[in-house]
Amino acid sequence: DGGITQSPKYLFRKEGQNVTLSCEQNLNHDAMYWYRQDPGQGLRLIYYSQIVNDFQKGDIAEGYSVSREKKESFPLTVTSAQKNPTAFYLCASSATWNTEAFFGQGTRLTVV
Amino acid sequence: AQSVTQPDIHITVSEGASLELRCNYSYGATPYLFWYVQSPGQGLQLLLKYFSGDTLVQGIKGFEAEFKRSQSSFNLRKPSVHWSDAAEYFCAVAGGGADGLTFGKGTHLIIQP
Repeated sequence: DGGITQSPKYLFRKEGQNVTLSCEQNLNHDAMYWYRQDPGQGLRLIYYSQIVNDFQKGDIAEGYSVSREKKESFPLTVTSAQKNPTAFYLCASSATWNTEAFFGQGTRLTVV
Repeated sequence: AQSVTQPDIHITVSEGASLELRCNYSYGATPYLFWYVQSPGQGLQLLLKYFSGDTLVQGIKGFEAEFKRSQSSFNLRKPSVHWSDAAEYFCAVAGGGADGLTFGKGTHLIIQP
């Protein structure tokens, strides 16, 4: 079954801790993305990767880091430098840059 | 830079009535345009897309959208809504280059019985 898998669905973090959100796709897509969603804000781009071993900062990259060592995987680390990390995080992929994106089911991160 | 505006934050429609959700974009050339739907706590699902050609595009779940270059719009329509259409709807534009996909802030659709 092809698609994008995000895990975990819910994640709780204590202040000051780093946490890594997983995103895996088996669609053989070149491009992958991380978005953050807050109520009333729409989707804001955190990082994107057009091809394996390459990634770029999006609009709100501060306090986040990513890696793209494998084509199918694009993990996002939320660091302690992110001041307001509680949000819904969505991972997406597309066959190539600027074509339609397919989304995972999201991870809801809560800082406690 | 490209941008997308969805003027309506919330829309309430009676079940069985017709629906139109507005989307305006800003981009210098013909962009790629998309509509997505999101149920609470879920990811986004692609409803339809416009790349070129016929300006009226059909999508899944009975939705359609019309690209109007003169108005820089890509409005989503459905002739008769069902209670299951209640969700958040996002319009997105991809203009090429380094901008990637840009999303509007969404329209929350409420269906009245």
